[in-house]
Amino acid sequence: EAGVTQFPSHSVIEKGQTVTLRCDPISGHDNLYWYRRVMGKEIKFLLHFVKESKQDESGMPNNRFLAERTGGTYSTLKVQPAELEDSGVYFCASAGQLYNEQFFGPGTRLTVL
Amino acid sequence: GNSVTQMEGPVTLSEEAFLTINCTYTATGYPSLFWYVQYPGEGLQLLLKATKADDKGSNKGFEATYRKETTSFHLEKGSVQVSDSAVYFCALSDSGGGADGLTFGKGTHLIIQP
Repeated sequence: EAGVTQFPSHSVIEKGQTVTLRCDPISGHDNLYWYRRVMGKEIKFLLHFVKESKQDESGMPNNRFLAERTGGTYSTLKVQPAELEDSGVYFCASAGQLYNEQFFGPGTRLTVL
Repeated sequence: GNSVTQMEGPVTLSEEAFLTINCTYTATGYPSLFWYVQYPGEGLQLLLKATKADDKGSNKGFEATYRKETTSFHLEKGSVQVSDSAVYFCALSDSGGGADGLTFGKGTHLIIQP
């Protein structure tokens, strides 16, 4: 069974540009989560989808971040326009209905110059 | 709000040494507690968990006991191996199984020398 995959693995962009990160959860997992780790800080929760609905988006830092999960399958996280402080590693995780465990992807390392 | 504090790294040990990584938490109610591990180049993997006070989670020789009175969930292993070198994250969830977003500590980088 394939795990959680994320694309791209690395992204380097200039301040003011737009970047879109993609997460493909484990097949059949209704729950999808986005997290971010800024260098030297904790991994911070951003938001939680249940199927295509946003269950909790309390961790989204501001309106430059837009997450979507059309059709309840893969999800995208768009940052527009990107700022220097958005640099970090963005993790995606998914979980099945029993919520026994969140399975994490390898992360996307975003560098904003 | 919820928070998790774990010892700063890197922690460097020799093979077969005893390992303790401290973790304390602040939370309302009765959270579930987790240890995740990230090996080089990989995503986070659940190492062990405990969902109520006095529960002991264990996996791959690692153990951690949910101590409500000290709000702690320290990770221990009796004899570490080079392959245990990784970053270890303590985390909590307000929901029983981890359905909510997790609150993480900063991570502890463990280096095991042969």
